[in-house]
Parts: sequence; structure tokens; C-alpha cells
Amino acid sequence: EVHLVESGGGLVQPGRSLRLSCAASGFTFDDYAMHWVRQAPGKGLEWVSSINWNSVTIDYADSVKGRFTISRDNAKNSLYLQMNSLTAEDTALYYCAKDVSGYYGPGSHPDYWGQGALVTVSS
Amino acid sequence: QVVVTQSPSASASLGASVTLTCTLSSGHSSYAIAWHQQRPEKGPRYLMKVSSDGSHIKGDGIPGRFSGSSSGAERYLTISSLQSEDEADYYCQTWGTGKGVFGGGTKLTVL
Repeated sequence: EVHLVESGGGLVQPGRSLRLSCAASGFTFDDYAMHWVRQAPGKGLEWVSSINWNSVTIDYADSVKGRFTISRDNAKNSLYLQMNSLTAEDTALYYCAKDVSGYYGPGSHPDYWGQGALVTVSS
Repeated sequence: QVVVTQSPSASASLGASVTLTCTLSSGHSSYAIAWHQQRPEKGPRYLMKVSSDGSHIKGDGIPGRFSGSSSGAERYLTISSLQSEDEADYYCQTWGTGKGVFGGGTKLTVL
């Protein structure tokens, strides 16, 4: 059974940094692309970033480009999101999601989701 | 850049059927989309992928009451024999050029 467990969320001051982790199990982690998707309180889903199976292809939403860095450690079955220069607009529940393919893009999609990690940016 | 549009809300009675619509922006009618369900206070759950030819591929454990179809730039999710547990937000998702794209979601109320 696929399990995705996010951790590392919390309360952080504006301008500071936070690193989210996602522990994956139940599938061959290094066969699949992975994603981070966030949801601000009371709002819809917003795609944040994606990484293909071998970390060669990475993309970011314009809203986080230059501040967030996605990475993965296939030996540890783990996905990460380093978030720098956080603002109140980054306050959200952050979901880790597995793709149906090793390469994300047209025709692929998330097929399993975690339960999310809450990030609150406030002074 | 592709945009996907959803109605903000829908409602139907217990035991009835409902069809939710996801509309792809002009020039992108060949795109496949994925439907995801989010029940209150829960993480999203993948339901199915719907292609431009109307074929659909469901996720693990998704009941037969859920089906997908397509017409032009529209992608549909039909839920039959509505149950109270189907009350949720439903999101469609696709890919633009190097970007994931989500619709704004449809909140389904089961009366």
C-alpha cells in the first residue's frame, strides 16, 4: 500500500526558512516523479513544484520560483521542499504526491497523495 | 498557457446522478485531465484520468459509480447513485508548459 507522510511543517516568521520532508513507502520510489501541491486555508489546490524520477527535470510555480527548491533522495525514499524567504502568502497545507509515471507532464498526473503538512507564516 | 475551468458548486439528491464539468481553454481541447476528490478535512484522492477520446483510467479502489467522458474541450465526471460520502470538493488537473494546472474546484453537495 502506498504511503506518503509529510513532516517539517510549523509556525515560522516572515523571511525565514523551512524544510518539508515526505517519506514514501509501498512503491519503488525511484521509478516515479513526485510533486508538491499546496492549499491555502479555505482555498483550492495550487501546484507548487515537480521533480522527475532522476532529478533531471524540475519545475516550479512562478509564485515560488527562486525561493523554493525541490529535491529527492532515492536512497532514502524521500522528497523534500526547501522553502526560503517565506511570506504570509505561503501559509498553506503542503501535500506530497506521487505521479503515475517517472516523467511528469502531459498525460501524467498524481495518483497518490499524502495528508499534508501545515505551514503557517506569521510574526 | 492552458487554463481549466470548473463551476464552483453543484448539488444533487441522495441516490441520484450528477455530472461535473471541467473545461479546457481554447487551443487545448486535446489535453487529458485528471479528477481528484477531496473530502472535508482530508487529503486529495485521485479518481481518474479522462482523455480527449473519452476513455478514462480509474485509480485503485474507485467504485464503478464514478465514470468519465469527454466532448470537445469538456471533460466530465459522472457520479451515479450518489451517497453522502460523495459530498466533497472535486478538482480537475492538467499540465501546461512546465507547469501543473488545477481548476478552482467544484463543491458537490448531496441533498
